[in-house]
Amino acid sequence: AQSVTQLGSHVSVSEGALVLLRCNYSSSVPPYLFWYVQYPNQGLQLLLKYTTGATLVKGINGFEAEFKKSETSFHLTKPSAHMSDAAEYFCAVSGSKAAGNKLTFGGGTRVLVKP
Amino acid sequence: NAGVTQTPKFQVLKTGQSMTLQCAQDMNHNSMYWYRQDPGMGLRLIYYSASEGTTDKGEVPNGYNVSRLNKREFSLRLESAAPSQTSVYFCASSETDRENSPLHFGNGTRLTVT
Repeated sequence: AQSVTQLGSHVSVSEGALVLLRCNYSSSVPPYLFWYVQYPNQGLQLLLKYTTGATLVKGINGFEAEFKKSETSFHLTKPSAHMSDAAEYFCAVSGSKAAGNKLTFGGGTRVLVKP
Repeated sequence: NAGVTQTPKFQVLKTGQSMTLQCAQDMNHNSMYWYRQDPGMGLRLIYYSASEGTTDKGEVPNGYNVSRLNKREFSLRLESAAPSQTSVYFCASSETDRENSPLHFGNGTRLTVT
């Protein structure tokens, strides 16, 4: 079985400050990891994904995430927050071939950006 | 470039009523999914279709049925709605059902059951 825990359901950052969203996962097999963003009244959009290879993954809108196997983590960061980053962010994991593409999502972290 | 289109956007039902949520994708994707989103719980998979002609249960299938009408369309039916089914429903598609194939989501249907 696989699971995802996102620490903090709400995060408030000042414009220009570092954004750090935490994600820990459990998986019985090497995982594939994803971050999605959801803007108000919209569906989820893919920010970035880790499959294999380089553990630092760069995504859209200046976001990046680092896969740390020893810590079972996949934290999302952005060096400088912009007002347009206000949204809800979801970490997700998929694992075994048996599970296919049935993603397991974390509970989400809503980001508020203060001017 | 429409992507994944869901209808309706909003719906209010009384307990016991039935309805079908429609979903269509124009990306020639093989796999389609239905998720529900509830506050603090992320998204939970209701049903999925790995390819045309196949459907399978996800994490929370009770009270729902699905039909993969063709490669483009995947509908979700509530036969007898219950207040516990008040949620936002998202349809998604992916090129394949391989575990690294990203999902593309529609904008959701907000359903309230009174």
